[in-house]
Amino acid sequence: ETGVTQTPRHLVMGMTNKKSLKCEQHLGHNAMYWYKQSAKKPLELMFVYNFKEQTENNSVPSRFSPECPNSSHLFLHLHTLQPEDSALYLCASSQGTSGGNEQFFGPGTRLTVL
Amino acid sequence: GQNIDQPTEMTATEGAIVQINCTYQTSGFNGLFWYQQHAGEAPTFLSYNVLDGLEEKGRFSSFLSRSKGYSYLLLKELQMKDSASYLCAVMDSNYQLIWGAGTKLIIKP
Repeated sequence: ETGVTQTPRHLVMGMTNKKSLKCEQHLGHNAMYWYKQSAKKPLELMFVYNFKEQTENNSVPSRFSPECPNSSHLFLHLHTLQPEDSALYLCASSQGTSGGNEQFFGPGTRLTVL
Repeated sequence: GQNIDQPTEMTATEGAIVQINCTYQTSGFNGLFWYQQHAGEAPTFLSYNVLDGLEEKGRFSSFLSRSKGYSYLLLKELQMKDSASYLCAVMDSNYQLIWGAGTKLIIKP
């Protein structure tokens, strides 16, 4: 595997379900990110981890819970979601978080909440 | 508040040149990125500008004017595979990327 991988690629869940999204980066990077991408809207940054420590949480509802066990893996745990949470969830990584550090994105998980 | 503006959609002809503009108002500036995103795929990095001027990379060039809060992405010799969304993002004073909604570029034969 190379780059940034995400599983599953597609997920359909009910509002009472609990599920987790997984991201893995094979680039030796130190920072990892979760983004939400809705149609015709800008990417919304949800969480940032740098050296496994959460450095940003952009007012994300508690029904989204991130976990970063090491610099290569990032999870997003989902519970009691709402239909408006349906979107593409993108994971990204970068060498660092300062200027000039380009982010490498995974293919995303297309989430549908019924 | 922070804001990135770019056109929603543009159409161009194969073999031609197209310029996609991006204007921004952010709290601080630590560089501007352009990404390409094909439908159903991950965004991929195209360019990074932190100083004023033009950066050329093959068929793609990116320009920045910090005093005007303005950038553009120039695509030359357009190919059908260039049909995609182009995302402008600015890194603010907290080193967070502020994203535009993207410009969908449609290439016609």
